[in-house]
Amino acid sequence: AQTVTQSQPEMSVQEAETVTLSCTYDTSESDYYLFWYKQPPSRQMILVIRQEAYKQQNATENRFSVNFQKAAKSFSLKISDSQLGDAAMYFCAYRSGSGGGTSYGKLTFGQGTILTVHP
Amino acid sequence: DAGVIQSPRHEVTEMGQEVTLRCKPISGHDYLFWYRQTMMRGLELLIYFNNNVPIDDSGMPEDRFSAKMPNASFSTLKIQPSEPRDSAVYFCASSETGTGETGELFFGEGSRLTVL
Repeated sequence: AQTVTQSQPEMSVQEAETVTLSCTYDTSESDYYLFWYKQPPSRQMILVIRQEAYKQQNATENRFSVNFQKAAKSFSLKISDSQLGDAAMYFCAYRSGSGGGTSYGKLTFGQGTILTVHP
Repeated sequence: DAGVIQSPRHEVTEMGQEVTLRCKPISGHDYLFWYRQTMMRGLELLIYFNNNVPIDDSGMPEDRFSAKMPNASFSTLKIQPSEPRDSAVYFCASSETGTGETGELFFGEGSRLTVL
């Protein structure tokens, strides 16, 4: 079974600074997706960024970027120019690709990292 | 599209009562998931469906929990009888495969259940 580990229960950053959230995962599959979801106090789960395992290029979405190290099974999220609205719980998640057999479709989450942004 | 729609948003009930949570996935999506979120256990996958067929229900905690998907646009998660330890936020999510596939799950706003 796939597992996702976020080793930082809490992180904090000053407004306008950069912060990196860590995530590692364990899998024997070669075809999969990785995601970072954000959950603000409203509790809505919002997709921040996604990465397909077959793509070597790291995904970026405006101020959000990832460092995807496939061999090391590491998938960290970098938030640049942090804003007060970035404060939330961040979840790293893994999903098997279409070649994943019976586990295809299942999304496995890490434990989450609470990010605090100080003004 | 309206997104994934869940009801009710909040439910407060007494121990022993039946609870039914409802979900309408995004039209055209062929996967539907039920997750439970608590402080202690984080986000847990309870069950998921593909084309209305349950694929994996190994996360359903007990026989008190049941889920159905009678058609592509509706699913229910039922707890009978409910217990205080069932108090949690229950999320429904959907996704699509095929040419539109991104792997992303789209989540509803969640149903907060409190069992007294």
